[in-house]
Amino acid sequence: GAVVSQHPSWVICKSGTSVKIECRSLDFQATTMFWYRQFPKQSLMLMATSNEGSKATYEQGVEKDKFLINHASLTLSTLTVTSAHPEDSSFYICSAKGLAGPRDTQYFGPGTRLTVL
Amino acid sequence: QKEVEQNSGPLSVPEGAIASLNCTYSDRGSQSFFWYRQYSGKSPELIMSIYSNGDKEDGRFTAQLNKASQYVSLLIRDSQPSDSATYLCAVNSQGGKLIFGQGTELSVKP
Repeated sequence: GAVVSQHPSWVICKSGTSVKIECRSLDFQATTMFWYRQFPKQSLMLMATSNEGSKATYEQGVEKDKFLINHASLTLSTLTVTSAHPEDSSFYICSAKGLAGPRDTQYFGPGTRLTVL
Repeated sequence: QKEVEQNSGPLSVPEGAIASLNCTYSDRGSQSFFWYRQYSGKSPELIMSIYSNGDKEDGRFTAQLNKASQYVSLLIRDSQPSDSATYLCAVNSQGGKLIFGQGTELSVKP
């Protein structure tokens, strides 16, 4: 149980284009989803927290107009990187937390590797 | 700034030995503690959660929590080369967020 999927697993795009990444909880309802970014040899950096049906809460220094997050249902959240630039190239990982299961536990998706040319 | 501290390593142990990973945290109000394993190029996967003082065992893994001293540790018995990965300690924070340590890189030598 507690499976989270992400799509696509990798994407290459040109500078200036937008990329959408989907995060789905497959076998549980995710009341909260989280989006992280990880650069090589660094730890996870939380970008934003999203609750179903409400606006995402962004961490300090994360541009909300650049990283659009939508949490339309209890099983789906999307992250759109708008006007992507090479410095946005990174490993983007979502996690989901539900009402069931051990308290405060986040289950991670497999990640999306974004390369902006 | 609430923090979670880990030795970055690398920690190198021979196959079959016990690997000991440590983590300290600054927020005395934290109630939930987690160990995740992350292989290179992959996303983190949950190993264990612990909520009460003492030890919690799951197979070859034992998590230890001491809230008074604000530390949590992970012991891996009979370490295998497949255990070679980065181990992330995480502690709950407000808003349901988890605060992650920098991770400890473990290398198990055959």
